Order: sequence, then C-alpha cells, then structure tokens
Amino acid sequence: GAGVSQSPSNKVTEKGKDVELRCDPISGHTALYWYRQSLGQGLEFLIYFQGNSAPDKSGLPSDRFSAERTGGSVSTLTIQRTQQEDSAVYLCASSPLWSGGNNEQFFGPGTRLTVL
Amino acid sequence: RKEVEQDPGPFNVPEGATVAFNCTYSNSASQSFFWYRQDCRKEPKLLMSVYSSGNEDGRFTAQLNRASQYISLLIRDSKLSDSATYLCVVNPGANNLFFGTGTRLTVIP
Repeated sequence: GAGVSQSPSNKVTEKGKDVELRCDPISGHTALYWYRQSLGQGLEFLIYFQGNSAPDKSGLPSDRFSAERTGGSVSTLTIQRTQQEDSAVYLCASSPLWSGGNNEQFFGPGTRLTVL
Repeated sequence: RKEVEQDPGPFNVPEGATVAFNCTYSNSASQSFFWYRQDCRKEPKLLMSVYSSGNEDGRFTAQLNRASQYISLLIRDSKLSDSATYLCVVNPGANNLFFGTGTRLTVIP
C-alpha cells in the first residue's frame, strides 16, 4: 500500500517568507509526528497528533512554527517568517495506534527546506 | 546532557566483519528502545526493537542494559548493503521519540 507522502520534496525560499509543508500519512494511522533533521544532527521532535486529542506541541522551536491536521488525516506544517536556521529536512511519520512511541513509526521521504 | 548519545563514527569495516555500536540514554524511566536505519538522503526505517531480554534478527543482535542505561547493536558478517547510518531511538514515556545523531557505518569490499 501507499506509504507516507510529503510535498514538496524540495523547497527553496527567501528569508522572511512563509512556507507550508504537507504530509499525507498512511491511511488509517491515527498518530502523526513531525520532526526536523539538520545536517549532522539527530531528528528533533516538533509536534505530535493523535486522533482528535489536542496535539503535543512541546517540540515546536518558536511561535513561528505551527501545524494542523484536518479530518484526522493530512497535516500541514507552517513556518512563518522563515530564518536561515530553519533550513533542514522536515520529516513526517505516522503510526497505527496510540503508542507513546511503542509502535513503529513510518516516515515519509521528507521535505528539504532551504532558506536563503 | 543529550537524551540519547551515540558515537557518530564513521565505522569503516571490511565485508564479513563483526561491528558493534553502543548508545547511552539519560532518562532512567525510558520505556522502549529501537534501532532505526537511515540511508543517505533517505528517511529512517525501523531496523529492530530492543527488548529487555535482548533479541536477535538474523545477523543483527540488539541488547539493553537498564542498569547502565545503554543499548547496543551487533552486526555479524557485515554486507556492503549494511552501509548506512544507524539511529538509536528511545521513548522516555512521552508521546515523542528521542533520536540519537546516528552512527555511520561503511562496509568496504
């Protein structure tokens, strides 16, 4: 079946512009995660959605970052007034059950964001 | 102190060699542990979960030492296709996972 998909695969933007990154999780997966991975760094947790529960936003680095998940499926990560330090690969993952991380997370191919 | 720490490597080993990676974690209450594999410019994929009793999957063996708060991954009879970055992953009991920065392995012909 189809895996997690993300779009765009690459995004180049100018400092100060807003960007939207999209994630389509595996159908039926109730948990959805956003991470970012900078060069030479580990994955950094950003936000977690589980069903209709309030999202866990504890990893968002600043108020310029926000995310939503409509209809319990597609998610959009928005970065406002982008800065050069926002340049990274943004990875989305989904998981079939509420797990607290105990179930396997399936990752999308990521969006490579470059802020000039 | 980072939640999860790994030796970044690189580890360069010949085909057929045995190689081991260790990873330490800081939260003693952590509940579950994993090794993920990430190929260059690709997304991470689950390699194996790590159970308290230790577990084996073919050429791969994972072990957990709760007292010393470390996790290990042993790869026997290394193949060229094993070349990748291996990510140590820990669930501290919250919604998210903590990923190490990864250990890079290159298997040389």
